[in-house]
Amino acid sequence: GNSVTQMEGPVTLSEEAFLTINCTYTATGYPSLFWYVQYPGEGLQLLLKATKADDKGSNKGFEATYRKETTSFHLEKGSVQVSDSAVYFCAQSGATNKLIFGTGTLLAVQP
Amino acid sequence: GAVVSQHPSWVICKSGTSVKIECRSLDFQATTMFWYRQFPKQSLMLMATSNEGSKATYEQGVEKDKFLINHASLTLSTLTVTSAHPEDSSFYICSARTPRATNEKLFFGSGTQLSVL
Repeated sequence: GNSVTQMEGPVTLSEEAFLTINCTYTATGYPSLFWYVQYPGEGLQLLLKATKADDKGSNKGFEATYRKETTSFHLEKGSVQVSDSAVYFCAQSGATNKLIFGTGTLLAVQP
Repeated sequence: GAVVSQHPSWVICKSGTSVKIECRSLDFQATTMFWYRQFPKQSLMLMATSNEGSKATYEQGVEKDKFLINHASLTLSTLTVTSAHPEDSSFYICSARTPRATNEKLFFGSGTQLSVL
C-alpha cells in the first residue's frame, strides 16, 4: 500500500547550516505530497506542498521538489535558524484522499 | 488562523482504566475530525474519521469497541480509550477539517501523550 519513509532523527545542526531531510514515498498513482511542521507545544501545520511531478513547494525558506523518478520529496533549507527547531512530517494524500504520514524527524538547531 | 485545542496534553493512568481525550475546534465548525496515533519510531497513523452526528469510520486494525469516538457537536470530538493497557501507550493527535475543505486543509491539535502503567 501507500507509504512514506523519512529519515530518522534527531537531526542536530548549528545555526546557518544547510538542512536536508529525506523523504521517499510509495504510491499507486500520483499523490500530492506535503511537509508538515510541529513546533513545541503546538499542532502540526502545513509547511509546503506539491501536487504534481517537478512541482516545487516553498515556504519560509524551505523547499521541496516532487521527484517522480526517484519517488522523493526531500525538504531543504539553505540556512537554518534556532526557531526552525521542530518536528517535520512528510506526508502524501493517499488513494482515498486521506493523509499518510511518515515518522517525523526532529530537528534541533543550536545557536 | 483556525485553532484546534486538544486536552489533556499528557496523561498517566493505571491499566484497566478508561481515558478520555477531547478535541475542540475553537473558531470554526468542524464537520469532520480525524484521530491519529503514533507509537515510538513509527509513522503517524490514522485511526478513525469522525463525522458530526454519525458513527465514526475506523481504519483497518483499530478496535472500535476499545477506542470510542463521539462527535456530538460541530466543535467537539472525544476519543475514549477504554480499559487501557500498556500497549495503548502512544501519542494521540486529532485534526479537524472545515466544511467543504479537502483533507489536505486540516488543523491539528497539539497531541496527547498517553502512558498506561
